[in-house]
Amino acid sequence: KNEVEQSPQNLTAQEGEFITINCSYSVGISALHWLQQHPGGGIVSLFMLSSGKKKHGRLIATINIQEKHSSLHITASHPRDSAVYICAAILTNTDKLIFGTGTRLQVFP
Amino acid sequence: DTGVSQDPRHKITKRGQNVTFRCDPISEHNRLYWYRQTLGQGPEFLTYFQNEAQLEKSRLLSDRFSAERPKGSFSTLEIQRTEQGDSAMYLCASSRDRANEKLFFGSGTQLSVL
Repeated sequence: KNEVEQSPQNLTAQEGEFITINCSYSVGISALHWLQQHPGGGIVSLFMLSSGKKKHGRLIATINIQEKHSSLHITASHPRDSAVYICAAILTNTDKLIFGTGTRLQVFP
Repeated sequence: DTGVSQDPRHKITKRGQNVTFRCDPISEHNRLYWYRQTLGQGPEFLTYFQNEAQLEKSRLLSDRFSAERPKGSFSTLEIQRTEQGDSAMYLCASSRDRANEKLFFGSGTQLSVL
C-alpha cells in the first residue's frame, strides 16, 4: 500500500462541473503540495498547505491533518484544466516528498 | 528565463553507457531535489541538497547513481552502466530553503535506454 494514495485515478467531466480529487496519507507529514502536470512533463505547484484551506481562482485545496486527508476542488471546470493532478506529502522532520500516483483529469467542452 | 532548467531534454543511450544530466535551479534557491518518474506513476524521490550538501539519498538509488552540487548552484546526476530499467523522466526541483515552501520544477530529462 502506498503511503500517499489518490482517488480517483482517472476522472472525466463536462465543462462547468465541480471537480473533487482526494488525497489520503498514512504517514506523519508537516505539509502537503498539490501539483499540476501537463503532457510533456512540466509540473507546476498549485498549493502548499499545512492546515485549513487555500483558494486561488477556481481552485480550492483543503487539508485535515487529524484525518490525514486533503482535497483539491476545481469549480466551473474548463478543458484547459485537463492535466494530471498530484499530491505530494512532506514527511515530518525531513524534507522528503512522497508523491501520490496522480489523478488524470479530462474536461470535455 | 529564471525558472529551473534541465539539460538535456531528451537522452537516448545504449545499455551500459554512462549519462549525466544537469539541473540549474532558480538562483538563490538553497534546496535542490531530484525525482524520477515513470509512465503513469507519480514522481519518486531520489535525493536532495541543501546548498552543496547532499542531505538524503533514496534507497532507490543504487551505487550506479551519483549526484553532486559542487558549488551549491547547479547540480548533476550521473548514471553509470545504464540499464533499461533506468528509462524514466528525471525531474529537478528547487525551493528557497525547505520543502514546505513553494517548489519550482524543471521540464525534466527524458532518458531512454535501449
